Amino acid sequence: QQQVKQSPQSLIVQKGGISIINCAYENTAFDYFPWYQQFPGKGPALLIAIRPDVSEKKEGRFTISFNKSAKQFSLHIMDSQPGDSATYFCAASDRGSTLGRLYFGRGTQLTVWP
Amino acid sequence: DAGVIQSPRHEVTEMGQEVTLRCKPISGHDYLFWYRQTMMRGLELLIYFNNNVPIDDSGMPEDRFSAKMPNASFSTLKIQPSEPRDSAVYFCASSPRRGASGELFFGEGSRLTVL
Repeated sequence: QQQVKQSPQSLIVQKGGISIINCAYENTAFDYFPWYQQFPGKGPALLIAIRPDVSEKKEGRFTISFNKSAKQFSLHIMDSQPGDSATYFCAASDRGSTLGRLYFGRGTQLTVWP
Repeated sequence: DAGVIQSPRHEVTEMGQEVTLRCKPISGHDYLFWYRQTMMRGLELLIYFNNNVPIDDSGMPEDRFSAKMPNASFSTLKIQPSEPRDSAVYFCASSPRRGASGELFFGEGSRLTVL
């Protein structure tokens, strides 16, 4: 069973546009929601993360929006650039559990056209 | 620090052969994870260790897969015998601690092709 559901699977955006990737989860015990960015031939790297006590976190052009009641969170990339072209993974974990493992979404392949 | 180091970067082998993937985590990191990435299933956690002890191996697909961490600076993932469906990119990741940040530091992966 997929613990974190991510959409869309792929996304094409024009340079300067807004890229939006959505994720949903069921486990209300999740309390940490990171996003990872992966370039071709590389491993994923942490991009930005949020905890459920805030509804939004912004770092530069990247913003996470979090809706606790709907159990959804999303990544917004403002003024998208060709260099943002990568695969993005949302994830979630319950850091209070014994295992505390991260559950990843399936990934979104973002292409930004120049 | 050089980051998480994985070897080999690419491996092509024939069905039935033994495959050993290696990982050197970042010094001082207590947690080590092995992931498998495929187009169909995305990133799958295979197993993870805390202080060299396996904590959760529920993601290991079958007995053909085994992982060891003999010391804090080295881990192996072994597939014996290998099958074409094992073709994937295998990532090793390490983390300094589970609770505070949860950040995983990934290596560049080992791309395995089983013919």
